[in-house]
Amino acid sequence: GESVGLHLPTLSVQEGDNSIINCAYSNSASDYFIWYKQESGKGPQFIIDIRSNMDKRQGQRVTVLLNKTVKHLSLQIAATQPGDSAVYFCAENSRAGNMLTFGGGTRLMVKP
Amino acid sequence: DGGITQSPKYLFRKEGQNVTLSCEQNLNHDAMYWYRQDPGQGLRLIYYSQIVNDFQKGDIAEGYSVSREKKESFPLTVTSAQKNPTAFYLCASSSYGPGGDTQYFGPGTRLTVL
Repeated sequence: GESVGLHLPTLSVQEGDNSIINCAYSNSASDYFIWYKQESGKGPQFIIDIRSNMDKRQGQRVTVLLNKTVKHLSLQIAATQPGDSAVYFCAENSRAGNMLTFGGGTRLMVKP
Repeated sequence: DGGITQSPKYLFRKEGQNVTLSCEQNLNHDAMYWYRQDPGQGLRLIYYSQIVNDFQKGDIAEGYSVSREKKESFPLTVTSAQKNPTAFYLCASSSYGPGGDTQYFGPGTRLTVL
């Protein structure tokens, strides 16, 4: 099917290496952040979230880091696998009424 | 099997036609959302609804309409007034509460204008 994000920034990593995907968010008042993974032709899939009272949260093979001082969010994927190849979006609740604002996305390509 | 379903997966529209995209959720979520996704861009909010019988315009509502007659359903109509409707349409839902909550997405509908 049609690729999502033909002009997205791309991160290319070797299988087994660790990946770090970065996101700069816009609103210093945002207090909730989410990372989503989107495979081609599919809907975004929730990966991990973090609230502003934390600076690190770990899941299975994934870690999210939050630096509120510089408004920066990162997603670390350990031992990257071919199945991790996708577009990754960050989102913040920068709007009133429980609304999310999505970043532009980063394409992760895993080389075997 | 809980989740969000969208239908159809692929939809083709002729010029001047209205088409309706279906979105259903059985997660008992109060809030539902419609996004549009174009290549090279992120998700743009079309409409959202935080409660039954109420909905609000998002950033790109022109040429679209919605209804929210049931908690489980939030159909989107792409009208003939939408001049460039070819895109990937995503529906999402969330529990509504303060401080933000995760939005869960459906599989999407790809609309193509012939």
